[in-house]
Amino acid sequence: DSGVTQTPKHLITATGQRVTLRCSPRSGDLSVYWYQQSLDQGLQFLIHYYNGEERAKGNILERFSAQQFPDLHSELNLSSLELGDSALYFCASSASTGAPDGYTFGSGTRLTVV
Amino acid sequence: GQSLEQPSEVTAVEGAIVQINCTYQTSGFYGLSWYQQHDGGAPTFLSYNALDGLEETGRFSSFLSRSDSYGYLLLQELQMKDSASYFCAVDSSYKLIFGSGTRLLVRP
Repeated sequence: DSGVTQTPKHLITATGQRVTLRCSPRSGDLSVYWYQQSLDQGLQFLIHYYNGEERAKGNILERFSAQQFPDLHSELNLSSLELGDSALYFCASSASTGAPDGYTFGSGTRLTVV
Repeated sequence: GQSLEQPSEVTAVEGAIVQINCTYQTSGFYGLSWYQQHDGGAPTFLSYNALDGLEETGRFSSFLSRSDSYGYLLLQELQMKDSASYFCAVDSSYKLIFGSGTRLLVRP
């Protein structure tokens, strides 16, 4: 157990629907990062929050949005889902905004859009 | 823009040494990281190089040359459990940008 909790582990939904993925960072970590990993692909950076504030944004689609709450958990909202959104979505956390001590990843949410 | 290049696949024999190279082009650079990911699992942190040179952590070592925009991960005394995907990642302004990964297959 890495200490980063992602729910749900699996999600199957239909095109056009909206889903919310949840992430609780490791205790004491203030940064949360979201990544998308399609089949046999690398990790595509979506967004980074630090202590409730957005710090960096990747090529995140307008249909996707995220936020980090006062208790530091984060949610990634995906709307108007398309088949191509099927992927593994990882959340990671770190103590600060940097990477030298490494990101701790959760076990991911596997999203299947049918 | 930002891009990272690493080989897609490497095969090696148990007990051998293997080197996985990574070249990068990025507009902002603070360091180079390496992560390991087993099939179906989460990426796990291996190393971080901010300065030129070699960092050693047990059987794994990582090297960085900032002037050449190049780094590598060296795995020694390969074990079957080392079969996994290995990703280099550039630390760039509040985010890690990952390469496409190198799948390492360790054969008996």
